[in-house]
Amino acid sequence: DAGVTQSPTHLIKTRGQHVTLRCSPISGHKSVSWYQQVLGQGPQFIFQYYEKEERGRGNFPDRFSARQFPNYSSELNVNALLLGDSALYLCASSSPEAEQFFGPGTRLTVL
Amino acid sequence: GESVGLHLPTLSVQEGDNSIINCAYSNSASDYFIWYKQESGKGPQFIIDIRSNMDKRQGQRVTVLLNKTVKHLSLQIAATQPGDSAVYFCAENEVNRDDKIIFGKGTRLHILP
Repeated sequence: DAGVTQSPTHLIKTRGQHVTLRCSPISGHKSVSWYQQVLGQGPQFIFQYYEKEERGRGNFPDRFSARQFPNYSSELNVNALLLGDSALYLCASSSPEAEQFFGPGTRLTVL
Repeated sequence: GESVGLHLPTLSVQEGDNSIINCAYSNSASDYFIWYKQESGKGPQFIIDIRSNMDKRQGQRVTVLLNKTVKHLSLQIAATQPGDSAVYFCAENEVNRDDKIIFGKGTRLHILP
């Protein structure tokens, strides 16, 4: 059974551009969460979606947005990229009140 | 504010010895705690969790201890192996609030031959 998958694995963008990151949860999981992990730090919560509804939002600017599709996959969008957005973006999926399983992440570099 | 921190950024342990990784949390409303292992180039991997109504939980070679009085969490790894080399994060959550997990900064576990 496949785990959480994310695409792309690596991405290089320039300042001001926008980016879309994709996540497919484990089959049967209806909850998807997004985290940003800056080098040398722990992941920081960005969004959580459950049944296509935003259930939680971290302390990130409006340049960050996300959505969840009927098949429970999810996209994270970041507009007007800044150098400080360079990070590993992690997606996690879970069943209600169960542990979260993380994907391998997308490494975003903003030049 | 909400935060989870760690006492040591790096821990070096002799292969075969036991490892103890400590963590302090500050949100007294947190009722669910998790330890994750993250290897280079990979996402965090669930190791073990514990709910606030427990003070100890054991898994395979790992034990988590929770002291709610002093808001302290620890991870014990028995007979540490080279494959245990990674960064370990403690994390916390308020189960009835949302699925937001708050991570600490991590401790790098280095295994000495």
